[in-house]
Amino acid sequence: DTAVSQTPKYLVTQMGNDKSIKCEQNLGHDTMYWYKQDSKKFLKIMFSYNNKELIINETVPNRFSPKSPDKAHLNLHINSLELGDSAVYFCASSQGKRTQFFGPGTRLTVL
Amino acid sequence: AQTVTQSQPEMSVQEAETVTLSCTYDTSESDYYLFWYKQPPSRQMILVIRQEAYKQQNATENRFSVNFQKAAKSFSLKISDSQLGDAAMYFCAYRSPSAGGGADGLTFGKGTHLIIQP
Repeated sequence: DTAVSQTPKYLVTQMGNDKSIKCEQNLGHDTMYWYKQDSKKFLKIMFSYNNKELIINETVPNRFSPKSPDKAHLNLHINSLELGDSAVYFCASSQGKRTQFFGPGTRLTVL
Repeated sequence: AQTVTQSQPEMSVQEAETVTLSCTYDTSESDYYLFWYKQPPSRQMILVIRQEAYKQQNATENRFSVNFQKAAKSFSLKISDSQLGDAAMYFCAYRSPSAGGGADGLTFGKGTHLIIQP
């Protein structure tokens, strides 16, 4: 019944590794997003996808790459992880301009 | 670019009392959407209330209501009859209208940590 789900919920990894976070929504929404919440709780948009097209890329390093195999999924792949990438990453979805619904978040810790 | 300001990093209120959280924003657009999200310790982002800028009537959801002042670019959240379960971070957020598809991200304020005193 979960509307927006993310896996994993926790991810601990070493600097330099490559990792992915998966997101799935079963709401039939046409747009999905990734947000980053830093250690001070500040939330910032990273990407959005609408019908498989990247709409926003907010000065995010190119080590981050969103991949959307279909309308219900938007995965986040991160190459060469750095200490500063440690954060909570949220996936969200919406139908057009309507309200965005968030996943439970993935806490990424880079050691 | 739009900015959202929450000037109260932390607020405290006695259980059953009323508290108001402040939010101001800066935009040159005339039509937009405003939201309050709640983030309890579980870290789940939960929508509290939504307001369309073209609507003059303030949105309400049970114990939660907003005071939307478009000219002043102010969007405060009032929580009545505060309950222990209301303890959380509260984020004010702004969303632009878009030309099509609605694929705009939310711009968030820095949040207000609400403490409920029993």
